[in-house]
Amino acid sequence: EPEVTQTPSHQVTQMGQEVILRCVPISNHLYFYWYRQILGQKVEFLVSFYNNEISEKSEIFDDQFSVERPDGSNFTLKIRSTKLEDSAMYFCASNDPGQGYEQYFGPGTRLTVT
Amino acid sequence: TQLLEQSPQFLSIQEGENLTVYCNSSSVFSSLQWYRQEPGEGPVLLVTVVTGGEVKKLKRLTFQFGDARKDSSLHITAAQPGDTGLYLCAGAGTYKYIFGTGTRLKVLA
Repeated sequence: EPEVTQTPSHQVTQMGQEVILRCVPISNHLYFYWYRQILGQKVEFLVSFYNNEISEKSEIFDDQFSVERPDGSNFTLKIRSTKLEDSAMYFCASNDPGQGYEQYFGPGTRLTVT
Repeated sequence: TQLLEQSPQFLSIQEGENLTVYCNSSSVFSSLQWYRQEPGEGPVLLVTVVTGGEVKKLKRLTFQFGDARKDSSLHITAAQPGDTGLYLCAGAGTYKYIFGTGTRLKVLA
């Protein structure tokens, strides 16, 4: 069964450093998403991406964040200058609304900013 | 702002008991998903409900979408320790999914 994959599973970085989180969505999906979940809190929407551009973004997704689909398979989230409060699980998801409302999540990347 | 409130937040029950988790909003959603999440892992999709009043069954789990598509419930019959986990509802908005606050279920053997 196709699945969303994410790398790395755990990333430790120092405050102020740039990080890139990588995702490979399900191959025939068209919409891609990033969410984050701070430990013990709810899953929060960050951004959605379709046809090589951002469809919608939340207030969390400020100028420090960017997304890119550099090739036909990868979908990345970049945080330019990490802050302590960026520590969280980051989940990538994908779907194809033409095939239904189901959204499939990757296993997540745990980002720890020290 | 679309919000989804889940209740209860925490639930600890004995094996064999029944339970219901609620997911409520003042907003209308085109569809609603239920997920289960284990610690350190991503949410795993359980079911999608689309039509107001729709009822879907997944073994011992029964999901219902409210007539007005603003709320949903998850009912578990004869809960088992394997049902332990975080249950999340998520409503489909335009280009995003809004997640509920979550219900953490613990089923004791």
